[in-house]
Amino acid sequence: AQSVTQPDIHITVSEGASLELRCNYSYGATPYLFWYVQSPGQGLQLLLKYFSGDTLVQGIKGFEAEFKRSQSSFNLRKPSVHWSDAAEYFCAVERAGNMLTFGGGTRLMVKP
Amino acid sequence: GAVVSQHPSWVICKSGTSVKIECRSLDFQATTMFWYRQFPKQSLMLMATSNEGSKATYEQGVEKDKFLINHASLTLSTLTVTSAHPEDSSFYICSATTLYYGYTFGSGTRLTVV
Repeated sequence: AQSVTQPDIHITVSEGASLELRCNYSYGATPYLFWYVQSPGQGLQLLLKYFSGDTLVQGIKGFEAEFKRSQSSFNLRKPSVHWSDAAEYFCAVERAGNMLTFGGGTRLMVKP
Repeated sequence: GAVVSQHPSWVICKSGTSVKIECRSLDFQATTMFWYRQFPKQSLMLMATSNEGSKATYEQGVEKDKFLINHASLTLSTLTVTSAHPEDSSFYICSATTLYYGYTFGSGTRLTVV
């Protein structure tokens, strides 16, 4: 069965520092992978997605993610974090039936 | 882009009463709507998949008699939490998919049962 693991429950970075959020997946075929961001009490906003092709995917708000099949990873990165990036981040994989399986989420806190 | 409007944003109800949550697709037709539940500081768990005009498909462990899903039209899906209890307090989110825009999420409903 498909599964998604986000090893880091919380991450704190200083404003202006770089960021990397980890995501590992378990899936038999080439996965469709997503990163979403959720502000408190809000729905989810899509940051980026990977279906095929170039393994480095650019998203909104300056985020990017790299698909590494050999490591079963799809880590999210941002070169310089802004205070407004503080939120919950979810990695997800699409499974049969057009349904998403989410990772446990990583809460990002940004220090001034 | 595709927008899913979810109401109410938050609701407080007494234990034993029922609560209805609505999700409307505003500028597209949602053949399929997904309903998720999110407990505090946890991830989203798929509860059920609703298809317009047919019965919803529930994930294992989700009580279909407690969480009634109706998808009577291509633009409206509802989730009714019947005989709500404090353990049903959670954040409920709906989602629809379109070929062009992919997955679109509602803004969520915070349910508190007292």
